[in-house]
Amino acid sequence: LAKTTQPISMDSYEGQEVNITCSHNNIATNDYITWYQQFPSQGPRFIIQGYKTKVTNEVASLFIPADRKSSTLSLPRVSLSDTAVYYCLVGDYTNAGKSTFGDGTTLTVKP
Amino acid sequence: AAGVIQSPRHLIKEKRETATLKCYPIPRHDTVYWYQQGPGQDPQFLISFYEKMQSDKGSIPDRFSAQQFSDYHSELNMSSLELGDSALYFCASATSGRYEQYFGPGTRLTVT
Repeated sequence: LAKTTQPISMDSYEGQEVNITCSHNNIATNDYITWYQQFPSQGPRFIIQGYKTKVTNEVASLFIPADRKSSTLSLPRVSLSDTAVYYCLVGDYTNAGKSTFGDGTTLTVKP
Repeated sequence: AAGVIQSPRHLIKEKRETATLKCYPIPRHDTVYWYQQGPGQDPQFLISFYEKMQSDKGSIPDRFSAQQFSDYHSELNMSSLELGDSALYFCASATSGRYEQYFGPGTRLTVT
């Protein structure tokens, strides 16, 4: 299973774009990259998933370079309610459970 | 849209007692995962089921067992509870062949 590395914490201000990068040097050919958001005392919430290049949905964009050894979650115009822990997971459906929630990134959005 | 349902939401037990946590996956989801999250920690994978069979096992203590039933709901049975078992327990469901998981609201277990 690919190990992931993310910054422990990030600060931002309301209205700014936030980019959180995840390193996954040992990503396997079949692996997908998935990001989750977690608020205190709540279950993680699926944000976005990608395999290569760029994926965009209504809440975020995910940029994946050609070598797939890293990925960047982009949150446009963050608000106070985006303050949460963000986790990057790498794996496929055969090992989804063991794609462990490692040290996520605590994003703090300030007014 | 229907979400994952977990019951109970809160549970208080004493040491050495048993507890049963229930999880009802999103309709048509055939895979269930269980996680334990201690205070200030990241979710830790315990066990998963696909089509009522155990599909993967993580750091689940021998005192814990789980199963998935014919209606796809799952139960996590915990015996000889210890103070260290106090945590949030999350269940997540997924569709086979898909990597993303959808989490329930969790059960907060407090062992006194």
